[in-house]
Amino acid sequence: RKEVEQDPGPFNVPEGATVAFNCTYSNSASQSFFWYRQDCRKEPKLLMSVYSSGNEDGRFTAQLNRASQYISLLIRDSKLSDSATYLCVATMDSNYQLIWGAGTKLIIKP
Amino acid sequence: EAGVTQFPSHSVIEKGQTVTLRCDPISGHDNLYWYRRVMGKEIKFLLHFVKESKQDESGMPNNRFLAERTGGTYSTLKVQPAELEDSGVYFCASSQDDGLKYEQYFGPGTRLTVT
Repeated sequence: RKEVEQDPGPFNVPEGATVAFNCTYSNSASQSFFWYRQDCRKEPKLLMSVYSSGNEDGRFTAQLNRASQYISLLIRDSKLSDSATYLCVATMDSNYQLIWGAGTKLIIKP
Repeated sequence: EAGVTQFPSHSVIEKGQTVTLRCDPISGHDNLYWYRRVMGKEIKFLLHFVKESKQDESGMPNNRFLAERTGGTYSTLKVQPAELEDSGVYFCASSQDDGLKYEQYFGPGTRLTVT
């Protein structure tokens, strides 16, 4: 079983719609969580951290559910420029490693 | 401020040859990481330097891979001899220490193809 699992997609979504991704993690000892965004053939870039209380950054909202071991990302009013692969990441406090999901591909259509 | 840079951007070598990848982290970042993405798979951690010291090399696949960070600035990752399964994109990342340690900034990657 993978440590971090994501639906690979692709999610084809019309511009302006709301889209949500989930990600599950297998290790209950995982401490910190992040969403990264990766454009085609580019490096991953940190999108946002995920806190237990949930957090919002503009059109993006991230939530963490420790009881069910899943993380979500909600994108409102999607833009064409949101098209990318979204990578879910977990960490352990015992080291600095980022543990990656395989990513969910999002395609925003005009 | 300059970001993380990596060289070369692409490398095509034959099985059995040697390749050396270079990473220059963001200035002032003590933490430097190497990750790898093999086609169709998720990104995997290889190792972590704090300054010039290897803090965690648990992700290194085998002894054909050698990473160094002499002087605590740039790092090199040597693959010798390269095998077909080493093909993939090698990313380097860096971060500050303590509370920002997980905010890792990635370089553009080196795409390695072993034929």
